[in-house]
Amino acid sequence: GQQLNQSPQSMFIQEGEDVSMNCTSSSIFNTWLWYKQDPGEGPVLLIALYKAGELTSNGRLTAQFGITRKDSFLNISASIPSDVGIYFCAGQGRINTGTASKLTFGTGTRLQVTL
Amino acid sequence: DSGVTQTPKHLITATGQRVTLRCSPRSGDLSVYWYQQSLDQGLQFLIQYYNGEERAKGNILERFSAQQFPDLHSELNLSSLELGDSALYFCASSVAVDNSPLHFGNGTRLTVT
Repeated sequence: GQQLNQSPQSMFIQEGEDVSMNCTSSSIFNTWLWYKQDPGEGPVLLIALYKAGELTSNGRLTAQFGITRKDSFLNISASIPSDVGIYFCAGQGRINTGTASKLTFGTGTRLQVTL
Repeated sequence: DSGVTQTPKHLITATGQRVTLRCSPRSGDLSVYWYQQSLDQGLQFLIQYYNGEERAKGNILERFSAQQFPDLHSELNLSSLELGDSALYFCASSVAVDNSPLHFGNGTRLTVT
């Protein structure tokens, strides 16, 4: 079952505000990924993190891989209406399990942006 | 467009029936994964294939089975369907077996009545 705790579950923000969400795990992962899912569509990869402590940006998005390999955060700066959707964290490649590539997903953060 | 193609987009069927969902991975990707997403839930891993061979199994029911064909497309077979099987079923693909990002299709929405 699920092993990743994602918070907050949902958030309402105003356009232009910055957003922060995070994900924690009881297990260590080799890779952390962040996806966004729009209604009726599949998850779209936003950012992939491969090294503990790594900080990576993709436009207005910034994500960090926690130093303990058990957590990650995603920041969105200056939010716009099209940022609306569900954001999922995912861990990949638990060390010492032998099944490296499948993703374990967080419970999701539903973001709503008001004008 | 992720490059992963899933058909059909929607499927409505009755309890007890059997359906087949189809997935074509991105060009060059050897690994295919199946995930189930129930209403307002996260994605639950079902099964993974790599170059035609089963690689990893998740919470997949015995009533469900999958395979990957020589041309690398995959099918997920769901049988003896129950109301609780209604969900979105996503296929994803990746280049390699380990630690390469997964790219998802737009899913098949299955409704069991």
